[in-house]
Amino acid sequence: SQQGEEDPQALSIQEGENATMNCSYKTSINNLQWYRQNSGRGLVHLILIRSNEREKHSGRLRVTLDTSKKSSSLLITASRAADTASYFCATVSNDYKLSFGAGTTVTVRA
Amino acid sequence: DSGVTQTPKHLITATGQRVTLRCSPRSGDLSVYWYQQSLDQGLQFLIQYYNGEERAKGNILERFSAQQFPDLHSELNLSSLELGDSALYFCASSPTGSYSYEQYFGPGTRLTVT
Repeated sequence: SQQGEEDPQALSIQEGENATMNCSYKTSINNLQWYRQNSGRGLVHLILIRSNEREKHSGRLRVTLDTSKKSSSLLITASRAADTASYFCATVSNDYKLSFGAGTTVTVRA
Repeated sequence: DSGVTQTPKHLITATGQRVTLRCSPRSGDLSVYWYQQSLDQGLQFLIQYYNGEERAKGNILERFSAQQFPDLHSELNLSSLELGDSALYFCASSPTGSYSYEQYFGPGTRLTVT
């Protein structure tokens, strides 16, 4: 079963716009990770945020974590065509079980 | 290129058969993870090995088994294959056994069961 659920399932934006996707989860976590997957390829790690952190940045990516609401968001700023991919959140519970969400498919239009 | 290699890239086989998928982790990584990705189930964690020992089990069927060898490569064995086993199988590696670090994914093996 999947602990994390991404929202929305799909997102279509214009190049240069920002893309925001959310991940909600059910049980307490040790950390939460975001991955990107280009069509049919392996996942690429984007960013890891620990349960005691609230916000992290990496280049054009900004991740927030609200443990009281059991949710996280991933913001991609100034999107590019190369950002077209599926984005997954993965939660690591306190007993170290790893669970991926169903993913958000992002399409960036030129 | 993540440094994780998987063979074969594609595999087509019939129901009831047995196949072996192979994974070589990044140089120096001690942990190997196996995942199954299908349209209806999404990305499911199957099993983790750390330095040759089983570390964690996820949604792995009894018909599936895995092992990690002394040179740290890993094999996932799928037997009595069913149509529903058709999926992308990924392996990933990380330096330690902890989930506090990122995982590096291989390109995957696409299994088609006919």
